[in-house]
Amino acid sequence: NAGVTQTPKFQVLKTGQSMTLQCAQDMNHNSMYWYRQDPGMGLRLIYYSASEGTTDKGEVPNGYNVSRLNKREFSLRLESAAPSQTSVYFCASSEAGPNQPQHFGDGTRLSIL
Amino acid sequence: QKEVEQNSGPLSVPEGAIASLNCTYSDRGSQSFFWYRQYSGKSPELIMSIYSNGDQEDGRFTAQLNKASQYVSLLIRDSQPSDSATYLCAVGFDRGSTLGRLYFGRGTQLTVWP
Repeated sequence: NAGVTQTPKFQVLKTGQSMTLQCAQDMNHNSMYWYRQDPGMGLRLIYYSASEGTTDKGEVPNGYNVSRLNKREFSLRLESAAPSQTSVYFCASSEAGPNQPQHFGDGTRLSIL
Repeated sequence: QKEVEQNSGPLSVPEGAIASLNCTYSDRGSQSFFWYRQYSGKSPELIMSIYSNGDQEDGRFTAQLNKASQYVSLLIRDSQPSDSATYLCAVGFDRGSTLGRLYFGRGTQLTVWP
């Protein structure tokens, strides 16, 4: 049982390049989330998708776009990467509705030069 | 703004001691509370969930919730060096635009020394 799978695990980009982070879950969860984690800042929500076909902004959406491709997959795109987007990115998923715990993928460590 | 506060630590305890980690939250509408453990360079791992006032025990871990004081804690009994990690408190709400979202504290770093 893979749970939440993120690809790639590591990536180095140059400023201005674009890339898409991939996330897939096999737990039949309705809700999916993208976070970034920076030293001293904790986990900050970028975007989330409460169900297939819906997406909403979190705390720090600027510079990012998302696509909920289907129930399993939720991708995060950086259109023009900036050094401030250097971070560790986590995808998570949960059952639909309130009060559900979230389950995290292993993360993508992204460096932008 | 929904705030979740934790002491950043580091909290250092000897092996075999009880480690006590604390978390306070700002919104009285909070309905669900979770503790995650995160080892250095790894992803957060759910270790405890609690939804009602009182204690919830799982092995060496006990989560305690006091909604009146807006306070949730995690006790780790018989602490082991393998418990050394950052512990994240997360709080959920059950209404409106926050449906399904969790709000995370910045975490408390715990070190258990032999």
